[in-house]
Amino acid sequence: GAVVSQHPSRVICKSGTSVKIECRSLDFQATTMFWYRQFPKQSLMLMATSNEGSKATYEQGVEKDKFLINHASLTLSTLTVTSAHPEDSSFYICSARLGVTLGSPLHFGNGTRLTVT
Amino acid sequence: AQKITQTQPGMFVQEKEAVTLDCTYDTSDPSYGLFWYKQPSSGEMIFLIYQGSYDQQNATEGRYSLNFQKARKSANLVISASQLGDSAMYFCAMREGDTDKLIFGTGTRLQVFP
Repeated sequence: GAVVSQHPSRVICKSGTSVKIECRSLDFQATTMFWYRQFPKQSLMLMATSNEGSKATYEQGVEKDKFLINHASLTLSTLTVTSAHPEDSSFYICSARLGVTLGSPLHFGNGTRLTVT
Repeated sequence: AQKITQTQPGMFVQEKEAVTLDCTYDTSDPSYGLFWYKQPSSGEMIFLIYQGSYDQQNATEGRYSLNFQKARKSANLVISASQLGDSAMYFCAMREGDTDKLIFGTGTRLQVFP
C-alpha cells in the first residue's frame, strides 16, 4: 500500500489565487521530504527539500516566495503555490525515504495535477 | 556534474518477453545510489528497484533486475516476462552522494503488446 499520501490529486484554480498541497508520510516519520515538479512529457525536477522544524532548501531557479514550503511535523509537509499563474500549471509530487539507511526506498506520493486558469 | 541519461524514448516488447531499458550515469562521487521508477498514465511514481554503488551483487526484485556495470557507469533495468500492465514510463534516477535528492533521466516509454 501507499506509504506517502498526497492531497489533493487534482486542483483547478483561478489565476491569482493560492493553492496548498499536502504530503504525508504514512506510519513513518520523515524529517526530510522532497518536492518535485513535472511538466507534460518531461522528467521530474527537484524544486526543494523540506526540512522538519527548519527552513526549506530551494534549488536554483525556484522562487521561494512563490512556492512556500512548511514542514511543521514529522509526517506532514505542505507546498503552497502563491498567486498562481497559468505557467504554474504542472504536476507536483513529493517524496520521502522510508527507512533509516540511504539504501532505503524513496517513495513518492500520487502527485497533484495543478491547473491554473 | 551529476547526470542520468536514458537514450531510449520509447520501447516496444511483446507480452511474456524480456526487455532491457538502458540507463547511464555520470558522477564523481564514490557513494551514490541508483533507482528505477515506473510511472503509469495516472501519474504516481512507483518504486521498482535500488542499487547502491557499493553493492557487490546486482539488485533483483521479482521480475525486475538491475544490470549494474560500474566501470561502464550503466544501470540497465531488465524486466522479465513482460505483462500488459508493465506499459508505462520508466525513469532511472540517481541519489546525489549521501543525500536523498534524486536526479532523474528523461524516461523511457515502454509499451507491451499482446
